[in-house]
Amino acid sequence: KQEVTQIPAALSVPEGENLVLNCSFTDSAIYNLQWFRQDPGKGLTSLLLIQSSQREQTSGRLNASLDKSSGRSTLYIAASQPGDSATYLCAVYYPNTGNQFYFGTGTSLTVIP
Amino acid sequence: DVKVTQSSRYLVKRTGEKVFLECVQDMDHENMFWYRQDPGLGLRLIYFSYDVKMKEKGDIPEGYSVSREKKERFSLILESASTNQTSMYLCASTPGGRLMNTEAFFGQGTRLTVV
Repeated sequence: KQEVTQIPAALSVPEGENLVLNCSFTDSAIYNLQWFRQDPGKGLTSLLLIQSSQREQTSGRLNASLDKSSGRSTLYIAASQPGDSATYLCAVYYPNTGNQFYFGTGTSLTVIP
Repeated sequence: DVKVTQSSRYLVKRTGEKVFLECVQDMDHENMFWYRQDPGLGLRLIYFSYDVKMKEKGDIPEGYSVSREKKERFSLILESASTNQTSMYLCASTPGGRLMNTEAFFGQGTRLTVV
């Protein structure tokens, strides 16, 4: 079974800081990796999708990078805001694995005003 | 806007009841999924479907069944609800055939409590 790990499990930062969330995976033969945001009691909102052939993707203040060889992805959030407070999950997809994603357990982010 | 809609945000059911959770997507996606999410366990795949009337078991299918009679709708059925099925249930969809070549989109979740 594929394993996806997110460190740290929880993070608290003051408003305005830049921060990095980490996602690591055991098998580097991924097809794509996706970052999600989840607010308490809600579903998952897609933030960024990186195909295996890509090194990074950007959307506004978010930048996600992918290093397949080391089995790592990072989500960089610039100039954090209280509205960024949520749980962030990464999910990887491998071909020939029954057509499913493998999720990390998430990083709970709190941005303090 | 892309949309995956789950029929209920909150449900309370009694032990032994038959429970239906409905999910509809408006993106003409081929693949649809049902997950449950529990604290400390993350998201676990229950069932998925890659075409109408096609279904495959995920990691935890016991106690559940699914139905996909139309492309846009994927239903999760708890044949006889039990308290250990109290959880957050999440539906998702992706486009394409058996290859996941673009983003997954999720519904807003259904918080099911079985008493």
